[in-house]
Amino acid sequence: GNSVTQMEGPVTLSEEAFLTINCTYTATGYPSLFWYVQYPGEGLQLLLKATKADDKGSNKGFEATYRKETTSFHLEKGSVQVSDSAVYFCALSDRRNTGNQFYFGTGTSLTVIP
Amino acid sequence: GAVVSQHPSRVICKSGTSVKIECRSLDFQATTMFWYRQFPKQSLMLMATSNEGSKATYEQGVEKDKFLINHASLTLSTLTVTSAHPEDSSFYICSARWQGISPLHFGNGTRLTVT
Repeated sequence: GNSVTQMEGPVTLSEEAFLTINCTYTATGYPSLFWYVQYPGEGLQLLLKATKADDKGSNKGFEATYRKETTSFHLEKGSVQVSDSAVYFCALSDRRNTGNQFYFGTGTSLTVIP
Repeated sequence: GAVVSQHPSRVICKSGTSVKIECRSLDFQATTMFWYRQFPKQSLMLMATSNEGSKATYEQGVEKDKFLINHASLTLSTLTVTSAHPEDSSFYICSARWQGISPLHFGNGTRLTVT
């Protein structure tokens, strides 16, 4: 079946530190992969996505590369800011095999301190 | 980008009453809408999937008579929590997608508190 395993948090970093949040997936088909971000008290916002192997999604300094060989989609940012403090969710969608359903990881809480 | 509007953002109700939450796609036609529930410090739990003009598909363990979902048009879905109880207090989030492998677009969520 389909599932997403995400690095557990919480993660606390100093401003300008390097960020990696690990995400691995299991899928029966050809999934698209996503990172969503949730700021306190809000819904989820799409951060970036990749639809096929070796694609790199990027946005706001965040990057993630779709690695089929390692079934991973790790989120990285070279220099985090206080405003990046949020909960990050890795997700996959495999429409071919499971219709429209999305599968989410458990979320990783990031706190960036000045 | 695509916008999904969810209303209300917060609601407090008394036990036994019903609460309706609206989810609207503002600039696209949402062929599918999803309703999630999120417990504190946990991931999203998919409650149900609704396609416009048809009955919602509920996930295992979700009471369809308690959580009524209506997707009457391509831009509006509603979730009604009937006869609410304190254990229904939670953060409810709707999402919508246009078609195919388009990403999910989320509303800002509704914080429901049942007293």
